[in-house]
Order: sequence, then C-alpha cells, then structure tokens
Amino acid sequence: GDSVTQMEGPVTLSEEAFLTINCTYTATGYPSLFWYVQYPGEGLQLLLKATKADDKGSNKGFEATYRKETTSFHLEKGSVQVSDSAVYFCALKSRSNDYKLSFGAGTTVTVRA
Amino acid sequence: DSGVTQTPKHLITATGQRVTLRCSPRSGDLSVYWYQQSLDQGLQFLIQYYNGEERAKGNILERFSAQQFPDLHSELNLSSLELGDSALYFCASSVGRASSANVLTFGAGSRLTVL
Repeated sequence: GDSVTQMEGPVTLSEEAFLTINCTYTATGYPSLFWYVQYPGEGLQLLLKATKADDKGSNKGFEATYRKETTSFHLEKGSVQVSDSAVYFCALKSRSNDYKLSFGAGTTVTVRA
Repeated sequence: DSGVTQTPKHLITATGQRVTLRCSPRSGDLSVYWYQQSLDQGLQFLIQYYNGEERAKGNILERFSAQQFPDLHSELNLSSLELGDSALYFCASSVGRASSANVLTFGAGSRLTVL
C-alpha cells in the first residue's frame, strides 16, 4: 500500500538557519503530495502541495519539489524563524489508495532565537 | 480559525465508558474525515463520510462508530474505552468526495484521556 517515510526528529535549529526535512514515498501510480504543519496546540494546516511530477509547491518561504525519479518531496526553507517551530507532516493521496490521505510520522522542528 | 469546529476540546473519562466527539465541517464542505493521532501510531485515518454516506474506512476499531447527519455535522462514537484509546482525534472536511488534489481542512482536535 501507499506509505510515506519522513526524517525523524526532533530537529533543533537556530534562527536564520537552513531547514530540510526529507520525505520519500511509496505509491502506485501518480500520487499528489502534501506538507501539513501542526503548531503547538492546534490542528493541522496545509502548508503546500504538488499534484504532478516536477511541480514545486511553495508557501511562507517553504518549498518542496515533487521528484518522481527519486520518489521524494523534501521540504526546505532558507531562513527559519522561531515561529516556524512546529511538527511537519508529509502526506500523499493516490487513486490506488482511494484518495485517503496517508501521513508520515511527523518531524518536530524547534527553532531557537 | 479553519472553519472546522470540534467539540469537546478536552475530555477525560474512565475505561469502559463511552464518549461522543462532534464535528461541524467548513461551510460548503460535503466530506468529513476522522483521524486519530497518538504517540505510538502517528496520524491514522479512521473513516470518511460524504454527504451522509460512508465513503471510505481506515483503521477504525469495531468499538468505534461514526455517522454524518443531514446538516452535515458528524459524530464519532467511542465505546468500551481502553487506556490505549487516549489520543487526539481530528476531524477534517473537504468540498468533494475524493480526488487526488482534494485539500482537507482540519479542526483543532478533541483530546481524549482515558484513565
């Protein structure tokens, strides 16, 4: 079945550092890929998405590129802020999984001032 | 505010009891999804309803049931509760029934603690 594997945390960074969270997937066909973010005490919010190969999703300074050849969707941000401290989830949906949203385990990111 | 409303925010109960979690989807959304988030299992899809009908089922225990009412709100019923049912339960909604690009909007969650 479909699955998502993402980098285990926790990740601790200083402000203005570069952030990368690795995400790889296994799916039949051509899934859509998502990054969701969960701030402390809140629900999940969609951060960005990509629906086909080579698409780049971007939002709030975060970017991720859908790489079919490496089955990856790594999340990057060039200069993190304390307000980026959150749990980040990589997720996918595909026809073969009846479009159920499948999540990775989540990566906790803490940014220190 | 995402537009998806979940109640209660927190719930503490005892083993063997039964609880009901409620979700009001975002205005205009016809699909409702339930997810369970626990430390050991991560985010697990439980069940989806579309316009009152069950659409997809995931890792939902037989002790759990859900329904979506004509006004589109949904309830998740958890019975014969066990310690391991302690988790954060999220509701999400979307406009359509299911598609690759369909985006889910999540509520803030209901935290259930079973003592």
